[in-house]
Parts: sequence; C-alpha cells; structure tokens
Amino acid sequence: GESVGLHLPTLSVQEGDNSIINCAYSNSASDYFIWYKQESGKGPQFIIDIRSNMDKRQGQRVTVLLNKTVKHLSLQIAATQPGDSAVYFCAENPFRSGNTGKLIFGQGTTLQVKP
Amino acid sequence: DTGVSQNPRHKITKRGQNVTFRCDPISEHNRLYWYRQTLGQGPEFLTYFQNEAQLEKSRLLSDRFSAERPKGSFSTLEIQRTEQGDSAMYLCASRGGGIYGYTFGSGTRLTVV
Repeated sequence: GESVGLHLPTLSVQEGDNSIINCAYSNSASDYFIWYKQESGKGPQFIIDIRSNMDKRQGQRVTVLLNKTVKHLSLQIAATQPGDSAVYFCAENPFRSGNTGKLIFGQGTTLQVKP
Repeated sequence: DTGVSQNPRHKITKRGQNVTFRCDPISEHNRLYWYRQTLGQGPEFLTYFQNEAQLEKSRLLSDRFSAERPKGSFSTLEIQRTEQGDSAMYLCASRGGGIYGYTFGSGTRLTVV
C-alpha cells in the first residue's frame, strides 16, 4: 500500500549545526503534510505543516521543503539544540472527498544532538 | 490543562484480561482519533469519531477492540482478551473543524505479560 517513509533511522549532529531530515512519500494524491516531534514517553507534537500548493514554509528555526516532482519532503532545523533531540515523523493527510483527517505516518528519524 | 488527556499512562495486564483506556479531548474539538504505536514505528490509525459517531475503523481494529464516545466528549478504547501483540502505546488525538490544531495526548502504554 501507499505510505510515507523516512530515509534515515538516525541522524547525529553537533550542537549549533543545521539538521536536515528527509521523507519520501508515494501517494500522489496527498496534498497536505505535517512534521511531528516525539520525545520519549510523550505523544507527537506538531512542528510545522505544508500544503501541496507550496514549495517551502518557514517557522521558528524550522523550514519544510516540498518537492512534488520527486515526492520528497524535508525538515530543516537551524542551529540545532540539545532540546531538539527526539524522533521526527512526517505524516500525510490526503484531502480526498470524505476525508476523515486521519494521518499516515512514516517510521521516524531519531535526531541525536551532540554537545 | 487544555490539552488531550489520557488515562492511565501505563497499564500492565496479564494475557487474556480486558483493559479499558480513556481519552479526554480538548473540549471544543468534535473530532477524535485513536492510534496505536509500536516501538520504533510511527503511529497507525485505528478509529475516528465525529461527535459521538464512529465514522471510520481501520482493519487493525479487530473484533477484540471496541471504541466508544457516548456523549461526543470523552472516549474509551477497550481491548478484550488481550494478547502479547497488543502491547503498544495507544494514542488519542483531537481536532476542531480544520486540520490545524490536531493535538495528541501523551498516550497509554500497554504491556501484556
């Protein structure tokens, strides 16, 4: 079946560096994507979202890029901090007719920030 | 606290026992979701309520699983005759009219021994 997936299970970066987390999706009907951060023992926390009519969206220290041609999504974190250490998931919500709003998640990338 | 609340946070049960989890969504949210998350995996959709109506169920939701939202506010998820394969984190989420504001609770971690 169609799913949203991530390229790397683990990413290790030095504190202060920029981080890039990637996600490939296969559902061409998807037109809305969300990045979540999940810390140990907690539920997923919304970071940033993007609709398919956009290529880029910026938040505070985070940027999401969408390349619909190759069905690729990325999350960039600027000046990575120890508090950014967590598992990051991309999720898809296709706005088809009768959409219930359920999310399809990828497997996650663990971001480790070295001091 | 204005977030999504789930109870209990942890549950250890013996195989074959029944368990019930509760989710209290954000009060103004009429849409409620249950997801299951196993170790190292992303959450998987189980079921969806709009107000008190259960509008979608995943094939992951076997006959042993039942979810209710009797008054369109809190929801319960019951698992009957638990199996070791049911061990997972059960997450609840809620949202209002738009997809923005989709908020997860901290989950109930179930361990079946």
